Amino acid sequence: GAVVSQHPSWVICKSGTSVKIECRSLDFQATTMFWYRQFPKQSLMLMATSNEGSKATYEQGVEKDKFLINHASLTLSTLTVTSAHPEDSSFYICSARDGQFGYTFGSGTRLTVV
Amino acid sequence: SQQGEEDPQALSIQEGENATMNCSYKTSINNLQWYRQNSGRGLVHLILIRSNEREKHSGRLRVTLDTSKKSSSLLITASRAADTASYFCATLTGTASKLTFGTGTRLQVTL
Repeated sequence: GAVVSQHPSWVICKSGTSVKIECRSLDFQATTMFWYRQFPKQSLMLMATSNEGSKATYEQGVEKDKFLINHASLTLSTLTVTSAHPEDSSFYICSARDGQFGYTFGSGTRLTVV
Repeated sequence: SQQGEEDPQALSIQEGENATMNCSYKTSINNLQWYRQNSGRGLVHLILIRSNEREKHSGRLRVTLDTSKKSSSLLITASRAADTASYFCATLTGTASKLTFGTGTRLQVTL
């Protein structure tokens, strides 16, 4: 089946630094990937839709200058949290469409900003 | 914004019992999907039901969809301790390819 690899699985960074999270589709090409954010014991909130070769589409209220998304190839999308602050600490999950209706999710990245 | 609500928010049952979770949504949908999430992990796709379907089965899972009430239910029969996880419904609407998730149900299955 389709596999999406997300890396790193966890990261701790200092306030003010930037962190990059990678999302790779391993055995299929993904023209569209999605980035979600999840707070403890809450649901997934879509942050942005990442489109290969074009700009990402951000959901309302998501700062595009803070959460930079790059989808330079059909198998890789990256999310960079710039100038991270403690309130950016969260669980970030990516997903990719692997067919008409199929979505495969990465295993998530737990970001802690200290 | 989230598409809908799930209830109960939390459910605790004993192994062997059935678990039922409900999902309500707000707008017309193309399909509704159920996902499972183990603590601190990604999501695993369980089952998809299209808007023109009313019921679907997969192993110990049974999903129903009532588009007139904008609701769906997930039944897990003969639950096992390994079923302990959070379960989310997600809807796909219109021409958008993005999933919108419900609030989730945390299921605890005890021995």
